Amino acid sequence: QITLKESGPTLVKPTQTLTLTCTFSGFSLSTSGVGVGWIRQPPGKALEWLALIYWDDDKRYSPSLKSRLTITKDTSKNQVVLTMTNMDPVDTATYYCAHRPDYGRYFDYWGQGTLVTVSS
Amino acid sequence: QSALTQPPSASGSPGQSVTISCTGTSSDVGGYNYVSWYQQHPGKAPKLMIYEVSKRPSGVPDRFSGSKSGNTASLTVSGLQAEDEADYYCSSYAGSNNFEVFGTGTKVTVL
Repeated sequence: QITLKESGPTLVKPTQTLTLTCTFSGFSLSTSGVGVGWIRQPPGKALEWLALIYWDDDKRYSPSLKSRLTITKDTSKNQVVLTMTNMDPVDTATYYCAHRPDYGRYFDYWGQGTLVTVSS
Repeated sequence: QSALTQPPSASGSPGQSVTISCTGTSSDVGGYNYVSWYQQHPGKAPKLMIYEVSKRPSGVPDRFSGSKSGNTASLTVSGLQAEDEADYYCSSYAGSNNFEVFGTGTKVTVL
């Protein structure tokens, strides 16, 4: 059974760096073709694709946010970490991590999401 | 990379069908057979309903079907049920540079 759970601060100040951790079980990020991605959703708005890391450490980023995002993995801990620099109130959103299956281009399992508010 | 365009809302009575469109470009929807659809109930995480244009994951009712023509993909929900009332999002692969993009979302109401 695949599960994912996001963790991190619920409140960050403008200009600070956000660090979110996705802890997962039921699969290994060392399995060929597998990936973990991050997606966010501002309150009342649409989903936005952020970043993805594959089993071979290949990383992909949203072009519009690439300069602010870093995604890393710790295979031994079953964790994926997303950092986003220079946070702004418009970055207030629920942040989800999700599982990408073998060479698939979709997310089949999602975490419950974590709401991050950016405010001074 | 711009979001894929979906109608803000769609509705139908129980038992009827509703079709949601997802319009992109030849660089995303039209260029690859990698369109997926997600259902999201209020306060919940999205759930995969369709992948690779028309494939259903295990456990998704066959009332849900997907198709694509040119730069527009579609999700059809047949035999609408009350539990189908939710927001629906499409997503498409958009090449190695832009990678992936979501749609603007459609709220489906069961009348």
